[in-house]
Amino acid sequence: DADVTQTPRNRITKTGKRIMLECSQTKGHDRMYWYRQDPGLGLRLIYYSFDVKDINKGEISDGYSVSRQAQAKFSLSLESAIPNQTALYFCATSDSLAGETQYFGPGTRLLVL
Amino acid sequence: SQQGEEDPQALSIQEGENATMNCSYKTSINNLQWYRQNSGRGLVHLILIRSNEREKHSGRLRVTLDTSKKSSSLLITASRAADTASYFCASVFGNEKLTFGTGTRLTIIP
Repeated sequence: DADVTQTPRNRITKTGKRIMLECSQTKGHDRMYWYRQDPGLGLRLIYYSFDVKDINKGEISDGYSVSRQAQAKFSLSLESAIPNQTALYFCATSDSLAGETQYFGPGTRLLVL
Repeated sequence: SQQGEEDPQALSIQEGENATMNCSYKTSINNLQWYRQNSGRGLVHLILIRSNEREKHSGRLRVTLDTSKKSSSLLITASRAADTASYFCASVFGNEKLTFGTGTRLTIIP
């Protein structure tokens, strides 16, 4: 089984809808991250969390919110989806005691119409 | 944007040849990492080089780091078809957030 899972893997939604992307991990890592990937721009950090009670904004947090419900779960919400949020979204984890390497989920492909 | 740049954006070589990708970053770093992404899938960590290191090897991978030029290069020797992927550098400073480059799309021609 994959160590970092994301649901759903694909999602089509309409402008103005609220949607949630979920990430779960079985690696026991304390740190979790959400990124979006657009063609030609690489990955950009949306939000990150270093512990259950810790939430931090990344480079492009506007229009997004997150919830760290437990050490193993980190959810990303789009409060009111807009077409330019169409992208590939990745969750990642890392272990603060083991170094800076991040482990990525398989991604969620989101299309906002 | 704090994103780094990678060069070239795309590279096609024959199987068995060496592939070199370059990365530039904008701030001082603790370390620099390279990741591989197969089409539409999650990134996989390849190698990490610390700011006090100049060169590092892992199998067919060789990474160099020049902190005075804020640049790094990734060399893949004796390329294989399975190396076809996008390659991203990611710089780390301070509280260990990664700042990714824009990526190099590598195609190995059998």
